[in-house]
Amino acid sequence: GAVVSQHPSRVICKSGTSVKIECRSLDFQATTMFWYRQFPKKSLMLMATSNEGSKATYEQGVEKDKFLINHASLTLSTLTVTSAHPEDSSFYICSARDTLEETQYFGPGTRLLVL
Amino acid sequence: EDQVTQSPEALRLQEGESSSLNCSYTVSGLRGLFWYRQDPGKGPEFLFTLYSAGEEKEKERLKATLTKKESFLHITAPKPEDSATYLCAVYDYKLSFGAGTTVTVRA
Repeated sequence: GAVVSQHPSRVICKSGTSVKIECRSLDFQATTMFWYRQFPKKSLMLMATSNEGSKATYEQGVEKDKFLINHASLTLSTLTVTSAHPEDSSFYICSARDTLEETQYFGPGTRLLVL
Repeated sequence: EDQVTQSPEALRLQEGESSSLNCSYTVSGLRGLFWYRQDPGKGPEFLFTLYSAGEEKEKERLKATLTKKESFLHITAPKPEDSATYLCAVYDYKLSFGAGTTVTVRA
């Protein structure tokens, strides 16, 4: 199956700093990538959809200035959490949709802890 | 707004005890229904895509079926390694997930 990687897998940072998370599709091209957030024992909440070479589309209630998304190539999208606060601590998961099909493949997730 | 409801929330099975998970949905324009498996602390792993009522797909001990209003994931003779949270999602240009069913299989 298609492989999506995320880096880092875990990150701890101080309040007020920024954190960048990378999402890569390793063996396919992804015109569209997605960023999700998951709280403990809850399902995935879509934060934003990013299309290669254009601005991301954010879901209602998601601050675009806080969660900066860049999708500079067909295999890489980044999520930057700016001026992180403890309430931003969560499990962030990206997914990539194969250009040739509609299936979304998910990365392994990034655990963010803001102290 | 798309809605996806999964039941039960949790399911405890004895090894070999077959069972079914339900996913009911309301969506304006279904372009596909997806099943994923998620282990604790990991991202969802793709299992199946179903596109039309009557369609069925199988993979090892799992079989997914689809009707116009719901989908079932049947687990036949489960093993402990089938323990996971199973997520259902409907696709209408974006995925809308249900809350999941957490399956625990005891040896």
